[in-house]
Amino acid sequence: GAVVSQHPSWVICKSGTSVKIECRSLDFQATTMFWYRQFPKQSLMLMATSNEGSKATYEQGVEKDKFLINHASLTLSTLTVTSAHPEDSSFYICSAQSGPTNTGELFFGEGSRLTVL
Amino acid sequence: AQTVTQSQPEMSVQEAETVTLSCTYDTSESDYYLFWYKQPPSRQMILVIRQEAYKQQNATENRFSVNFQKAAKSFSLKISDSQLGDAAMYFCAYREGNKLVFGAGTILRVKS
Repeated sequence: GAVVSQHPSWVICKSGTSVKIECRSLDFQATTMFWYRQFPKQSLMLMATSNEGSKATYEQGVEKDKFLINHASLTLSTLTVTSAHPEDSSFYICSAQSGPTNTGELFFGEGSRLTVL
Repeated sequence: AQTVTQSQPEMSVQEAETVTLSCTYDTSESDYYLFWYKQPPSRQMILVIRQEAYKQQNATENRFSVNFQKAAKSFSLKISDSQLGDAAMYFCAYREGNKLVFGAGTILRVKS
């Protein structure tokens, strides 16, 4: 099956710094990628939809200035957590869509665990 | 907004036995997709099975099958011959267009 890779898989940073997480589709082109946030033993909450070459669409309640998303190519989307604080500590997961809109299959990355001290 | 409800926070099953995980959803659409995902301790999301709403036949994938009741908006997952490797968090998900909405999840424990 298609492979989606996230990097880094875990990161620890100091409060106030910015952290970038990459999501790459390794063997297919993804016009659309999605970013989720997951707290321990909870569900995945969609943060934003990332479209190649255009601005991301953020879900209600997600601060777009806090969570910067860039989808500069068909194989790479990045999530930057700016001025991170301890409450931003979470597990962040991306998924990429292979195939046409609405019917293409979604493939998930391995996730990135962010810990802000 | 679409909602997905998993009413069982935790379930346990004896190895080799069968277990059913429940899921209900709410939508006004007639064409959509439903999924069950497995998230083991590694946290990698793994697609278990998918169902297209316009198909009446229940999807099956080896030991995994679903009971899709469209009128009741119910989409349960049956795991037969449970194995230790089935232990994980299971998420039911609804997809309309590009957006995937997840249920709260059910932790499945498999006893040896």
